[in-house]
Amino acid sequence: KQEVTQIPAALSVPEGENLVLNCSFTDSAIYNLQWFRQDPGKGLTSLLLIQSSQREQTSGRLNASLDKSSGRSTLYIAASQPGDSATYLCAATFGGAGTALIFGKGTTLSVSS
Amino acid sequence: GAVVSQHPSRVICKSGTSVKIECRSLDFQATTMFWYRQFPKQSLMLMATSNEGSKATYEQGVEKDKFLINHASLTLSTLTVTSAHPEDSSFYICSARSRGGEQYFGPGTRLTVT
Repeated sequence: KQEVTQIPAALSVPEGENLVLNCSFTDSAIYNLQWFRQDPGKGLTSLLLIQSSQREQTSGRLNASLDKSSGRSTLYIAASQPGDSATYLCAATFGGAGTALIFGKGTTLSVSS
Repeated sequence: GAVVSQHPSRVICKSGTSVKIECRSLDFQATTMFWYRQFPKQSLMLMATSNEGSKATYEQGVEKDKFLINHASLTLSTLTVTSAHPEDSSFYICSARSRGGEQYFGPGTRLTVT
């Protein structure tokens, strides 16, 4: 069974700290992986998409990596801000472009000022 | 970027009634749309895959006669919750897949069945 796991479930950091969110997946035949942000009661905002042929993607203060051999992805957030507080979801597609994303349970991040 | 809308954003209905939720890709064509359900403090669980012009593919445990999906055009998919019960109360989110393979998500619909 293809699964996506995120650890930790919750994380609290002071403002300005750099942090890493972890995501692991069970199937190395991954097609692509996306990181999303979800604010309470809201929908999803796509942050970064990494294709299986890529090792990392960067957008502003965010950097996501993908290591298929170890079944891991990380989301690095530099110089965290209170506005970064949200739930971060990792999701992967395994069966090709036409298949659905399988989501992890998310990491809820709280950045204190 | 690509935009996906959902309507309504919130709906409250009485037990036994049916509710239709629309999912539209506003500036791109989506041959495939997905419907997810999210319970409080849980992750998104795939309900079904909706392909334009064909029958939807439902995940195991999802009743196709209860959750009717219609994908009549390349920009619109609908989910109808029939004979809704309180346990159907949830956050329903759709996504539309672009030609590049990235999925864009709608803002979600909060369904409350009383």
